[in-house]
Amino acid sequence: NAGVTQTPKFQVLKTGQSMTLQCAQDMNHEYMSWYRQDPGMGLRLIHYSVGAGITDQGEVPNGYNVSRSTTEDFPLRLLSAAPSQTSVYFCASSSTGLSGANVLTFGAGSRLTVL
Amino acid sequence: AQSVTQLGSHVSVSEGALVLLRCNYSSSVPPYLFWYVQYPNQGLQLLLKYTSAATLVKGINGFEAEFKKSETSFHLTKPSAHMSDAAEYFCALSGGSYIPTFGRGTSLIVHP
Repeated sequence: NAGVTQTPKFQVLKTGQSMTLQCAQDMNHEYMSWYRQDPGMGLRLIHYSVGAGITDQGEVPNGYNVSRSTTEDFPLRLLSAAPSQTSVYFCASSSTGLSGANVLTFGAGSRLTVL
Repeated sequence: AQSVTQLGSHVSVSEGALVLLRCNYSSSVPPYLFWYVQYPNQGLQLLLKYTSAATLVKGINGFEAEFKKSETSFHLTKPSAHMSDAAEYFCALSGGSYIPTFGRGTSLIVHP
């Protein structure tokens, strides 16, 4: 059971470049989400999804796009990278059946540097 | 609206000393509360969770937390710190939604 798998683990981009962070889970979780983690800021929610074809914005969605074509995959796209997007990104998933008592399963993270 | 406040961005203890990490919450509905731990260069993993079954919750690695409704607190404790406990700790709240609210985290530093 792999849990939540994120790729790549590390990436360096130049300003203006685009890229996609991949996230896949094998637990049949309905809920998937992306967070960014910055020093002193904790975890901030970027986008989330409650099922295939359904996505919504979190706290800091600007500059990021997502889609959910399957239950397993939830990629995060940076269309035109900016230095302010230098961060560590985490994908997390959970079931939605317990109305808040669900535990998030996190991936290992993707460290992105934008020059 | 719901919120989580973790008091102290850094907590430093000596090995063998008591660990106390503070978390206060605000929620308009009965909360579900969680503590997650993040070891260096890893993702977060669950330490323990409160779901109204018992106010004293025991987690992994000797940690426990007590839900105090009158104080709106869910502080994390461990009687004796170990070097391996050095990590970032996050308190989180779900108030009837599957989208949790996280605190800003507390970095636990353990001195030999």
